[in-house]
Amino acid sequence: DAGVIQSPRHEVTEMGQEVTLRCKPISGHDYLFWYRQTMMRGLELLIYFNNNVPIDDSGMPEDRFSAKMPNASFSTLKIQPSEPRDSAVYFCASSQQGKHGYTFGSGTRLTVV
Amino acid sequence: AQSVAQPEDQVNVAEGNPLTVKCTYSVSGNPYLFWYVQYPNRGLQFLLKYITGDNLVKGSYGFEAEFNKSQTSFHLKKPSALVSDSALYFCAVRGALWDNNDMRFGAGTRLTVKP
Repeated sequence: DAGVIQSPRHEVTEMGQEVTLRCKPISGHDYLFWYRQTMMRGLELLIYFNNNVPIDDSGMPEDRFSAKMPNASFSTLKIQPSEPRDSAVYFCASSQQGKHGYTFGSGTRLTVV
Repeated sequence: AQSVAQPEDQVNVAEGNPLTVKCTYSVSGNPYLFWYVQYPNRGLQFLLKYITGDNLVKGSYGFEAEFNKSQTSFHLKKPSALVSDSALYFCAVRGALWDNNDMRFGAGTRLTVKP
């Protein structure tokens, strides 16, 4: 298995633009998580899905952030409009129900200028 | 709700010396405990986990961790550190309830191993 695949690896965009981050979880995993990592706040859970259904989105910072999981093999995290304070590394992770840890993607480094 | 604390932002050790990265947790019921490592510009990689059974858990790259229920701790250890162990280490906890998949991560501890 290729692991959790995220794209793009790096994204530089101007303030006000729409940004879409993509994630392909490991086949067979029924949980998908979006995290944001910054120096100031560490690793923050933004939202997670179970069987493509959003379970907890309480970590989504504001309405500018939205996430979807149209099928078991694909999820997106969208920021519209983007702001400089959204600059961070965004990680996607997937997991199976049960006694398992998470498998993380390599992350998308987002810079909003 | 579960939480995890890593009391040290940074740990420095000399190569060849033993290392310990500390972690304490709070969870309702039995915990599932994990350690992850993050190298620069990479995602978090799984090192080891405690689910049940033997309190001493062995993981990747010679790391081990000891579950101590009375002290609610899960410290990461390695008998002899390598320079290549230098990285950011995260402890994580989730509850053992069947439908609880909400893992909480600590703030991370930066380990630096000096030659």
